[in-house]
Amino acid sequence: QLHLHESGPGLVKPSETLSLICNVSGDSISDTTNYWGWIRQSPGKGLEWIGSISYSGNTYYNPALRSRVTISLDTSKNDFSLKVRSLSAADTAFYYCANGLYNYGYWGQGTLVTVSS
Amino acid sequence: DIQMTQSPSSVSASVGDRVTITCRASQDISTWLAWYQQKPGKAPMLLIYTASTLQNGVPSRFSGSGSGTDFTLTISSLQPEDFATYYCQQASSFPRTFGRGTKVEIK
Repeated sequence: QLHLHESGPGLVKPSETLSLICNVSGDSISDTTNYWGWIRQSPGKGLEWIGSISYSGNTYYNPALRSRVTISLDTSKNDFSLKVRSLSAADTAFYYCANGLYNYGYWGQGTLVTVSS
Repeated sequence: DIQMTQSPSSVSASVGDRVTITCRASQDISTWLAWYQQKPGKAPMLLIYTASTLQNGVPSRFSGSGSGTDFTLTISSLQPEDFATYYCQQASSFPRTFGRGTKVEIK
């Protein structure tokens, strides 16, 4: 059974960079069948796909966020990460990591990130 | 981006009722559509993928249909644990996009 768990700061200041990690257990993130993604949810914008990364490190980003987002793998720790730069209040949301490329069968429990000074 | 439009935005129903939720894509997505259920404070849970394939462990009262631009999620006999918000998501192209959700409430 695959298990995903997000970790990171709950409060970040405007203009700063958010760093979140998703730790994966139950499978290797570099297994050739695995793709990983980040999705966020805010009351105003609903569910928003941020981007995905393949087992080999190929990335796919939402064009609306591409200039501010980086997703990467750390195979030594079996986790993957999300960085979002130049934060504003509009980035306040629950952030979820998930497994999949076309649809998302396994999700982390989510972490609330609030952007505020 | 492909826009996903769900209707209704909310529905009031009783236990045992048949509930139908629709999702329309702004362009042809073949059967590249998934449905999720989300309960308060929880992550979304995958119910159906490729428009009509039931995810392992999902009760058979859930079913999905459609292709092209018009899709339907049906709950044949609503159970107490089914009161939740349901989302569709297209998997035809990047960026992946979701509908705004349909909240199934107790009548």
